[in-house]
Amino acid sequence: GAGVSQSPSNKVTEKGKDVELRCDPISGHTALYWYRQRLGQGLEFLIYFQGNSAPDKSGLPSDRFSAERTGESVSTLTIQRTQQEDSAVYLCASSLNLATEQYFGPGTRLTVT
Amino acid sequence: KNEVEQSPQNLTAQEGEFITINCSYSVGISALHWLQQHPGGGIVSLFMLSSGKKKHGRLIATINIQEKHSSLHITASHPRDSAVYICAVSGGSNYKLTFGKGTLLTVNP
Repeated sequence: GAGVSQSPSNKVTEKGKDVELRCDPISGHTALYWYRQRLGQGLEFLIYFQGNSAPDKSGLPSDRFSAERTGESVSTLTIQRTQQEDSAVYLCASSLNLATEQYFGPGTRLTVT
Repeated sequence: KNEVEQSPQNLTAQEGEFITINCSYSVGISALHWLQQHPGGGIVSLFMLSSGKKKHGRLIATINIQEKHSSLHITASHPRDSAVYICAVSGGSNYKLTFGKGTLLTVNP
């Protein structure tokens, strides 16, 4: 079946603009996760959802970052007033539930100029 | 906060060699993940384990809960195994993953 998809695959934006990143999880997966990987660095956890609820938002870097999930399906990660340090690959993953293996999407490469 | 340490940071091997990558963590966990990231960025989950040993093809993952340590083994390594291998852990009722910095494996023909 279809895997996790993310859009756009690449996004270039000017500093100060808002961006929305989209994740479509595998159908039936109740858990969804967002991660960030800056160039040359390791993976950072941002937020996870169980259903449409986000029990742990502690990984969001600042209040400019927000995420929502609707219909236990698609999720959007919104970054307001983007800064150059927001440039990274944003990865989404989903799993059947919180205790099972995660399947990763291809990522969205965000470049803030 | 859980600290996840991987070793080695870089590993170069000849095709056919047996590979071991190590991961240690500081606080008790509910699960440990091994991930593979190829050049170009795609990430694949290799294993998720909470005890014992798992095997998939030429890959074997073990975990020792008491020692807070896991190993990923690759038997009969091949150039296509060249990738970054990442260890990540989650703890208790918090499913947030904490990641190691990764091990860059290069397998030469």
